[in-house]
Amino acid sequence: DSGVTQTPKHLITATGQRVTLRCSPRSGDLSVYWYQQSLDQGLQFLIQYYNGEERAKGNILERFSAQQFPDLHSELNLSSLELGDSALYFCASSVEGSSNQPQHFGDGTRLSIL
Amino acid sequence: GQQVMQIPQYQHVQEGEDFTTYCNSSTTLSNIQWYKQRPGGHPVFLIQLVKSGEVKKQKRLTFQFGEAKKNSSLHITATQTTDVGTYFCAASGGGADGLTFGKGTHLIIQP
Repeated sequence: DSGVTQTPKHLITATGQRVTLRCSPRSGDLSVYWYQQSLDQGLQFLIQYYNGEERAKGNILERFSAQQFPDLHSELNLSSLELGDSALYFCASSVEGSSNQPQHFGDGTRLSIL
Repeated sequence: GQQVMQIPQYQHVQEGEDFTTYCNSSTTLSNIQWYKQRPGGHPVFLIQLVKSGEVKKQKRLTFQFGEAKKNSSLHITATQTTDVGTYFCAASGGGADGLTFGKGTHLIIQP
């Protein structure tokens, strides 16, 4: 058990819809990262938050947004969903915000777009 | 951003044989991390390498960071069925640029 909690575990929805994925980091971790894992693209870094502020941005689409709340949990919002958004979405957390910290991953949310 | 190439994509070995995966970058890296993802699981942090030429061992696993800090390798001696999974390297150029993961090497072990 990594200590990182992601909900829901599975989401099935239709094209054009909007969903919210939730992540609670490990106790004491200030930084949260979001990744998308698909078969053809591997593990893609989307965005990082540190102590409520956006720290780094990766290959995140404009249709996607995220935020980190004062209690440090984070939400990833995906809108105008397309078939290609079907993937496993991981949240990870680390103690600090720099990239030399080990990251601890949650179990992921599997998103299926029909 | 950083780009890391990881090879091979798949590796089939007989149980007891050795296994190596390689990670290469065109730019100098600040550090490199290795993760393992079991089938159906999530990536789990294995180790971080920071210094040029660094070598670290964890039981049957040996991790190396190249002298130029542009490549790294993970070697497993005498593989066991519990080693099955995908091994990812993850690289950083330093600072607040996030980690770039390689595409991973899928290790398949035949008993």
